[in-house]
Amino acid sequence: GAGVSQSPSNKVTEKGKDVELRCDPISGHTALYWYRQSLGQGLEFLIYFQGNSAPDKSGLPSDRFSAERTGGSVSTLTIQRTQQEDSAVYLCASSWTGNGYTFGSGTRLTVV
Amino acid sequence: RKEVEQDPGPFNVPEGATVAFNCTYSNSASQSFFWYRQDCRKEPKLLMSVYSSGNEDGRFTAQLNRASQYISLLIRDSKLSDSATYLCVVRNTGNQFYFGTGTSLTVIP
Repeated sequence: GAGVSQSPSNKVTEKGKDVELRCDPISGHTALYWYRQSLGQGLEFLIYFQGNSAPDKSGLPSDRFSAERTGGSVSTLTIQRTQQEDSAVYLCASSWTGNGYTFGSGTRLTVV
Repeated sequence: RKEVEQDPGPFNVPEGATVAFNCTYSNSASQSFFWYRQDCRKEPKLLMSVYSSGNEDGRFTAQLNRASQYISLLIRDSKLSDSATYLCVVRNTGNQFYFGTGTSLTVIP
């Protein structure tokens, strides 16, 4: 596609449930990033995939968070046993090595 | 120390004013530099890359000072539509990008 696609755009879930967020990067982009942004806050790095290399998971806030990228393309961010503090906008971005990256429009997650 | 630091503002300026934002970075090996713009409740979008020689795009001018490890963004003749949060982004070796927390700009009629 022409841009980075994320789904769903909005997700409301009950505390304790698991959620899966999906990101379709721009075709051919080798790098994929997940960030989250709480209301009025800056971007918080979560995880970074580059080609076939082992992902940089240093930003994942707890072991309830995991992500995978299948076939070097689509990525799924999974949050298990969601908590209210997980409520945020989850942004995915992809880039061609060395260039600035393009963001998807994000998934707004609300844990109630 | 944070990888990238920005003055969060807010900057409130009248239409037509010139406004400048600075951003400092901690890693002297940083390789690429960008300014992103984020509108309220929207995703960040690339505004411009920052080159060593400085670069201009219409009313926007970006500068890089490697010796002092800062980048700047100058906006001339501010428009109401320039109101947004401006994010400084630095790419280090290893292709990891670091974001500043953003500087909020409001252009007032």
